[in-house]
Amino acid sequence: QSALTQPASVSGSPGQSVTISCAGTSSDVGGYNYVSWYQQHPGKAPKLMIYDVSNRPSGVSNRFSGSKSGNTASLTISGLQTEDEADYYCTSFTSTTTPYVFGTGTKVTVL
Amino acid sequence: QVQLVQSGAEVKNPGASVKVSCKASGYTLTSNLMHWVRQAPGQGLEWMGVINPSGGSTRYSQKFQGRVTVTRDTSTSTVYMELTSLRSEDTAIFYCARELGAAFDSWGQGTLVTVS
Repeated sequence: QSALTQPASVSGSPGQSVTISCAGTSSDVGGYNYVSWYQQHPGKAPKLMIYDVSNRPSGVSNRFSGSKSGNTASLTISGLQTEDEADYYCTSFTSTTTPYVFGTGTKVTVL
Repeated sequence: QVQLVQSGAEVKNPGASVKVSCKASGYTLTSNLMHWVRQAPGQGLEWMGVINPSGGSTRYSQKFQGRVTVTRDTSTSTVYMELTSLRSEDTAIFYCARELGAAFDSWGQGTLVTVS
C-alpha cells in the first residue's frame, strides 16, 4: 500500500488561505468518506483536525475545513495564523492490505 | 478525558526486542480499536498495526509482519507493542492512537526507541 501523495510544503502569509491536497486511489480516498487530517507540531503527537472528509472535532477552529473530489482530498486553512505552522498528514481507510494509509505529509509555513 | 500514556524512551542494541506500553484512561479500553504508528526521525507517519482490545484480534502491516506483536491487558487498560529483531532503521518514535469512527482521535505522547 503506497502512501497518499501530499505536497512537501505550502506557505502563506498571515490571514491568507492555503490548501493541502491528498491524492489517493479508488481503493482509499476515492472509495470511502473516511479521510482524516492531523496537525503535528515539532516534538508533539499528531492532533486530529478533520474526520470523515469534512467534519471538525469539538475544539478545532472553523478555519480548518476539508473536502474531497474523486480520489483527492483537501484541507484548507483559512485566515492563516502563526500557530498553524506545523506538519499536516492526511489518512484514509483503505480496502487493501492495511486498513489505513497515511499521506506523505506537508509542512505549512507561515511567512 | 481520554488519555493515552506511553512508556519511556528506550535504547536497544541491534537484534534486540522492545516492548512499548500504552495505558488508557478516561474510557473503557475494550470500546475502541487501538493502533500503533511509527515515525522515523524527520519522516512521516507509518501505520504498523491494530488490536481490538475486546477480543484481542490483531492486524499488522506487511512491512512489520513477523516482527511486531500487539497485545493488551484489559485488567490494567494497557496495550503493548513489541518489535523484535531491531535494526538501526527502526529508530523512531512509536505512537499508540485510539480509533473513533474512522479516525485517530486520541494519541499517546510517543515513545522514542533508539537502536544503536
